[in-house]
Amino acid sequence: EAQVTQNPRYLITVTGKKLTVTCSQNMNHEYMSWYRQDPGLGLRQIYYSMNVEVTDKGDVPEGYKVSRKEKRNFPLILESPSPNQTSLYFCASSLSVGGSSYNEQFFGPGTRLTVL
Amino acid sequence: AQSVTQLDSHVSVSEGTPVLLRCNYSSSYSPSLFWYVQHPNKGLQLLLKYTSAATLVKGINGFEAEFKKSETSFHLTKPSAHMSDAAEYFCVVTWYSSASKIIFGSGTRLSIRP
Repeated sequence: EAQVTQNPRYLITVTGKKLTVTCSQNMNHEYMSWYRQDPGLGLRQIYYSMNVEVTDKGDVPEGYKVSRKEKRNFPLILESPSPNQTSLYFCASSLSVGGSSYNEQFFGPGTRLTVL
Repeated sequence: AQSVTQLDSHVSVSEGTPVLLRCNYSSSYSPSLFWYVQHPNKGLQLLLKYTSAATLVKGINGFEAEFKKSETSFHLTKPSAHMSDAAEYFCVVTWYSSASKIIFGSGTRLSIRP
């Protein structure tokens, strides 16, 4: 089954304790992206990746890191989480983005993160 | 600057009546436009998309949207609401000139009254 998986689905942690949220897709998609969703703000893009070893900042990258060593995986790293990073996080992938076409994004189920 | 605005944060309709969710965008370039739906505690699912083909786009579950360039709008409609339509809806825009930039609207929560 074609899908985007995220782990963990729920996480409660404390300020300053490094964490990683994994994201994996099995559709051979080039483009992957991380979003955070907060009430009244919709989804805001954190980082995206056009392909392996190619990443770039979205609208709200502060406090986050990503890597894209393999096409299928795009982990989100919080080196020193803070309470303002408490949010619902979504990973998404699509076939490609750019040129004259844009393909729909497929979203993971979300990771609800609470930083105390 | 490019932006997208969903004009209503919450819309409530009775079951069987029409649905209208409004979306306006601001762009100097030709946009691609999308509507996604998010049911409670679920991820996002594509409803429909416009990518410079027909201006009236039909999506899943009876939804459709019309791209109106002169009004810079992409409103989502459905003739008859069903209880299962209760969800959050997001209008999403991207542009050819910087196609890696994707902007989500703030969302419209649709409630259906029995």
